[in-house]
Amino acid sequence: EVQLVESGGGLVQPGGSLRLSCTISGFSLSSYGMNWVRQAPGKGLEWISYISSSSRTIYYADSVKGRFSISRDNAKNSLYLQMNSLKDEDTAVYYCVSLGDSGGPKYFQHWGQGTLVTVS
Amino acid sequence: DILMTQSPSSLSASVGDRVTITCRASQSISNYLNWYQQKPGKAPKLLIYAASTLQSGVPSRFSGSGSGTDFTLTITSLQSEDFATYYCQQSNSPLFTFGLGTKVEI
Repeated sequence: EVQLVESGGGLVQPGGSLRLSCTISGFSLSSYGMNWVRQAPGKGLEWISYISSSSRTIYYADSVKGRFSISRDNAKNSLYLQMNSLKDEDTAVYYCVSLGDSGGPKYFQHWGQGTLVTVS
Repeated sequence: DILMTQSPSSLSASVGDRVTITCRASQSISNYLNWYQQKPGKAPKLLIYAASTLQSGVPSRFSGSGSGTDFTLTITSLQSEDFATYYCQQSNSPLFTFGLGTKVEI
């Protein structure tokens, strides 16, 4: 069974830092691109970062560029999100998501249960 | 960035109804369009990818269509478990933007 389990969320003051982790089981992380998606309370989904299977390609949404850093350790089957200079508007549930690939169109296949980050 | 516009933002329907949700991309995205369902307090779930391919395990009452800039998610014969919020997402650009969502209410 595929499982993605996020951890590291919590309450942090504006300007502070937090590191989220996502532990993956049930598939080989080294074969998949990974993403972080967040959802502010009562709001929609916002993609924030992508990392390729080899870590060679990384993308960020403008809203977090320069403040957040995505990384992965395939040997530990883990994905990370280092969040610095946190703002009130970063308050959200953060989801770890695997990238499925049909040979052309890509999609967000497996989702974790999310971890809540509150900046206040 | 590619902007995804969903409509309506919410709708009311009854069990057994046929429901249609539309999604428009700000530029052509071929068939690089996905649909997700999210229930309160839960993570989103992939329903359809590549505009019309049903994810394994998703009931056949869900279907997707479209290409280019205009896409549709259709639920034939709405069931009680289908009351949720639905999101479209483009994957043509690596900045994977979502629509704002459509809440399907009783």
